[in-house]
Amino acid sequence: KNQVEQSPQSLIILEGKNCTLQCNYTVSPFSNLRWYKQDTGRGPVSLTIMTFSENTKSNGRYTATLDADTKQSSLHITASQLSDSASYICVVSAIGGSQGNLIFGKGTKLSVKP
Amino acid sequence: NAGVTQTPKFQVLKTGQSMTLQCAQDMNHNSMYWYRQDPGMGLRLIYYSASEGTTDKGEVPNGYNVSRLNKREFSLRLESAAPSQTSVYFCASSVGRGDLYEQYFGPGTRLTVT
Repeated sequence: KNQVEQSPQSLIILEGKNCTLQCNYTVSPFSNLRWYKQDTGRGPVSLTIMTFSENTKSNGRYTATLDADTKQSSLHITASQLSDSASYICVVSAIGGSQGNLIFGKGTKLSVKP
Repeated sequence: NAGVTQTPKFQVLKTGQSMTLQCAQDMNHNSMYWYRQDPGMGLRLIYYSASEGTTDKGEVPNGYNVSRLNKREFSLRLESAAPSQTSVYFCASSVGRGDLYEQYFGPGTRLTVT
């Protein structure tokens, strides 16, 4: 069964610190992996989309890594800010799947404290 | 550009009542989606529309109907609401080819069925 597992479920860090969120997946055949940021009470917003051939992709202070061999991805946030407080959702797509065939993880809730 | 808009933002229904959630996008996207998000679960696809005039079932279509009114608008109807349909509903649209499409989400509709 195609699944996306994220860890930790929640995380509290101090402003200015770095953190890393994890995503493991069992989706096959793999097409791409996305990270979304979802602020409380808002819809998800795309941070990155990575294909099989991409190991690392950055978007400002957000850096995503992908290891397609071990089926793992991580999202690293550098020098955290209060505005980084949100849920971060890992989403995986299979090759040839219908356009509706995105498998969403349950998300990691990040709280950044002053 | 307003992006993806949804109405209403909040709604309370009694069991058995019906209602339609409205979604519109002004980005000229071909594909549109309806998801529900429940606590402790990833987003789950209800229905999607790859283009005007077509709709397809997602993971959890039971109890819902959709209409792709035109390229801009995609509505979700609950014919006889049940407490199990209490959720936050997100509409999304997408642009791109094949598996590498970029999704844009609306702000969500928070629905409570009593």
